[in-house]
Amino acid sequence: DTEVTQTPKHLVMGMTNKKSLKCEQHMGHRAMYWYKQKAKKPPELMFVYSYEKLSINESVPSRFSPECPNSSLLNLHLHALQPEDSALYLCASSQGNARGSEAFFGQGTRLTVV
Amino acid sequence: SQELEQSPQSLIVQEGKNLTINCTSSKTLYGLYWYKQKYGEGLIFLMMLQKGGEEKSHEKITAKLDEKKQQSSLHITASQPSHAGIYLCGARKYLTSSGGSNYKLTFGKGTLLTVNP
Repeated sequence: DTEVTQTPKHLVMGMTNKKSLKCEQHMGHRAMYWYKQKAKKPPELMFVYSYEKLSINESVPSRFSPECPNSSLLNLHLHALQPEDSALYLCASSQGNARGSEAFFGQGTRLTVV
Repeated sequence: SQELEQSPQSLIVQEGKNLTINCTSSKTLYGLYWYKQKYGEGLIFLMMLQKGGEEKSHEKITAKLDEKKQQSSLHITASQPSHAGIYLCGARKYLTSSGGSNYKLTFGKGTLLTVNP
């Protein structure tokens, strides 16, 4: 089983709303990632969690707040977003954040900020 | 930064034809990943190559890694409409941090494949 599950699939939120994206994997992976993908662009890394600790933050604005409650779950809390934050948000996981680790992606959450 | 150049940017082939997509890195490769993506959907893992000369196959898709040239090729044999999509190559870039070694997985810009019936 190489499944990474993301919810919701679609989300429309206002600029004053607070929402959360959720990601779950049951492969025993210890590294989890958030990526942002704009239309016709490749995914861009936002955050990496390794063994439930934040190990990489790619200078992401504080209106995006990641959380890793346990080794299977990864959340992305959203607050006061801008319309330009509309994108496909992808979660991924791998055995570890190392050169030989295969990384598997979820189906993504299509976020629209109005 | 890790730069991955994919070619071609887009490709239109007739069903049944073979095709090749290339991915070239400007930096040392620490593993090379191939993914397929349908527009607006997640990335489907195809294969990962680690060693120079390594070749892997998944159904009608074969990928090779030439570590010396820092490039990989993805070859599809007898293409089908189900092969249509965006093919992305990815590579891990080594980062130093206070927490130890970390690798950042970055991607090329992708190759859009259209297969006409």
